[in-house]
Amino acid sequence: KQEVTQIPAALSVPEGENLVLNCSFTDSAIYNLQWFRQDPGKGLTSLLLIQSSQREQTSGRLNASLDKSSGRSTLYIAASQPGDSATYLCAVIVPNGQNFVFGPGTRLSVLP
Amino acid sequence: ETGVTQTPRHLVMGMTNKKSLKCEQHLGHNAMYWYKQSAKKPLELMFVYNFKEQTENNSVPSRFSPECPNSSHLFLHLHTLQPEDSALYLCASSQDRTGTLYEQYFGPGTRLTVT
Repeated sequence: KQEVTQIPAALSVPEGENLVLNCSFTDSAIYNLQWFRQDPGKGLTSLLLIQSSQREQTSGRLNASLDKSSGRSTLYIAASQPGDSATYLCAVIVPNGQNFVFGPGTRLSVLP
Repeated sequence: ETGVTQTPRHLVMGMTNKKSLKCEQHLGHNAMYWYKQSAKKPLELMFVYNFKEQTENNSVPSRFSPECPNSSHLFLHLHTLQPEDSALYLCASSQDRTGTLYEQYFGPGTRLTVT
C-alpha cells in the first residue's frame, strides 16, 4: 500500500529565505506527482504536476523535483513571501486504481 | 463562474437530517471526485466518477450516497450522519485519468458540522 509522508510537518521562516519542502513515498511505481497549496479552510490549489518520466517542473519561484528511484520529491520555494504562508501537500498517483494518495502536508509560515 | 464550485460552503445538520452537497465544474473535464478532509488526517478519497460512471467507492459508509447526472455536476447525498463525519468535503475534477490530463483541480470545499 502506497504511503506518503511529508517533512517537516510545520516550518516557520523569515521573509526572503529560500526553503525546501520534502515529500516521500513508499512505492516508486507512480504515474504522476502533484504539489498543492491549501489556505486555511479552503480548497486545494494546484502548483505543479510532474509526470513519472520527468525529473522537475518550474513555475515562477517554485521548482519541484522528482526522484522515483529513491521515492522522493522536493518543492523549492525561492525568496519566500508572507503570501506563501499555507499548507503544502503532495500527492502521488498509484497504478492500482490510478488514484491519488495524499501526504499529510507541511504547514508553512513566512514571517514579515 | 470558472473552475470548480461547491455549494453550500458551510452546512450544519443534525444526525437525522437529509442534505445534499453540490459540485459543479466549468472546465469541460470528464472525471470528478469527492474527498473528505478531517482535522489532522490526510485527504481521503471517497468516490470517483469517470464519464459519469462510478469507478471507485473507497469503502465509504452507505450514509454517503453520490450522484453524477452529467460530467459537469456531482452530488453527495447525506443522511443519518454521525458527529465523526464532520469534516471539510472537497470536490475535484480532472480532464481525464492519464498523464498530464490527470491534473486535479479542487473546489473550495463544504465545511460540514454534524450535531
